Amino acid sequence: AQSVTQLGSHVSVSEGALVLLRCNYSSSVPPYLFWYVQYPNQGLQLLLKYTTGATLVKGINGFEAEFKKSETSFHLTKPSAHMSDAAEYFCAVSEGGSYIPTFGRGTSLIVHP
Amino acid sequence: DADVTQTPRNRITKTGKRIMLECSQTKGHDRMYWYRQDPGLGLRLIYYSFDVKDINKGEISDGYSVSRQAQAKFSLSLESAIPNQTALYFCATSDYRNTASGTQYFGPGTRLLVL
Repeated sequence: AQSVTQLGSHVSVSEGALVLLRCNYSSSVPPYLFWYVQYPNQGLQLLLKYTTGATLVKGINGFEAEFKKSETSFHLTKPSAHMSDAAEYFCAVSEGGSYIPTFGRGTSLIVHP
Repeated sequence: DADVTQTPRNRITKTGKRIMLECSQTKGHDRMYWYRQDPGLGLRLIYYSFDVKDINKGEISDGYSVSRQAQAKFSLSLESAIPNQTALYFCATSDYRNTASGTQYFGPGTRLLVL
């Protein structure tokens, strides 16, 4: 069985500060891991994903995440927050690309001027 | 034009009414999904379909039904709407031919209010 835990339903940062959104997963097989972003009044769009290979994954808009098997984590980071980063972020896990992903409950990123 | 479209975008209905939410896609994907989003609960899978002849229940299918009219169309019905079905509903697609990806593509959502 697979599951995802996102620590913190809300994260608040100042513009220019480091963004860190936490995601821990559980999977019985090597996982596929995803981060999706949802801007207000829009659907989800893929930010980045890990399938195999390099454990540090770079995505759109300056975000990156590192797959750490020993910690069962896939935390999302960005060195410097922009106001436009304010959105809901979802971590997801699947047991391979052909399987249905399980989503976390989401983390709302708030960016203060 | 958007690759995954949902109609209507907003809907208000009354308890006991039957309603249908529609999803269409131009991505040529074989797999389609219906999710509902509730604040603090993330996305929960209602139904999914891997091709026109394949329909599967998800985590929370009670009170819902679906129809896969064509590869590009996947509809969600609420047979008798109740207030706790008030939520944001998303349709999504993925491509079996690219299983190494696993990426899902989401529509813009339908906001449903059941009074």
